[in-house]
Amino acid sequence: EPEVTQTPSHQVTQMGQEVILRCVPISNHLYFYWYRQILGQKVEFLVSFYNNEISEKSEIFDDQFSVERPDGSNFTLKIRSTKLEDSAMYFCASARTSGRDEQYFGPGTRLTVT
Amino acid sequence: GENVEQHPSTLSVQEGDSAVIKCTYSDSASNYFPWYKQELGKRPQLIIDIRSNVGEKKDQRIAVTLNKTAKHFSLHITETQPEDSAVYFCAASKSAGNQFYFGTGTSLTVIP
Repeated sequence: EPEVTQTPSHQVTQMGQEVILRCVPISNHLYFYWYRQILGQKVEFLVSFYNNEISEKSEIFDDQFSVERPDGSNFTLKIRSTKLEDSAMYFCASARTSGRDEQYFGPGTRLTVT
Repeated sequence: GENVEQHPSTLSVQEGDSAVIKCTYSDSASNYFPWYKQELGKRPQLIIDIRSNVGEKKDQRIAVTLNKTAKHFSLHITETQPEDSAVYFCAASKSAGNQFYFGTGTSLTVIP
């Protein structure tokens, strides 16, 4: 069964540095998402992406964040000038269709900002 | 926007007993309600979902009920087993939108 994959599994970075989190969605899926989960808290939506553009974003997704689909398989989340409070598990998800369809989650990247 | 509340935050049951987790939502436009199970250090995985044109759905030991009028939905796990121990998240989504709004999670422990 195809799965969403994410790299790296764990990223440690210093405050102020830029990080890029990578995801490979399921190949025939059209909708891509980033969520984050601060330790012990709920999963929070960051952004959705469809047809090579952002379709929806949350208040969390400010100018510090950007997403890109640089080729036909990868989907990346860039976090510029990281802050301590960016430390969280970041999940990528993909879906065949929007809204009323299952989103398949990747295993997550644990980002630790020191 | 949508607000999803989930209760209880922790739940312990004896093996073989039933577990019930409840969620409420605020936006009547929400019409898709998935439940995810997340084992420690692993990805959230869909275990069951329900759409707003259905009141109940069952899959073996797991069932979900939806009350659109009251804006609440519940997960029922019968004959619980130790491997059911995990954090369970409910979510709500609107067909016109993309994002899932998640509840705060329920940590279920099944005691052998």
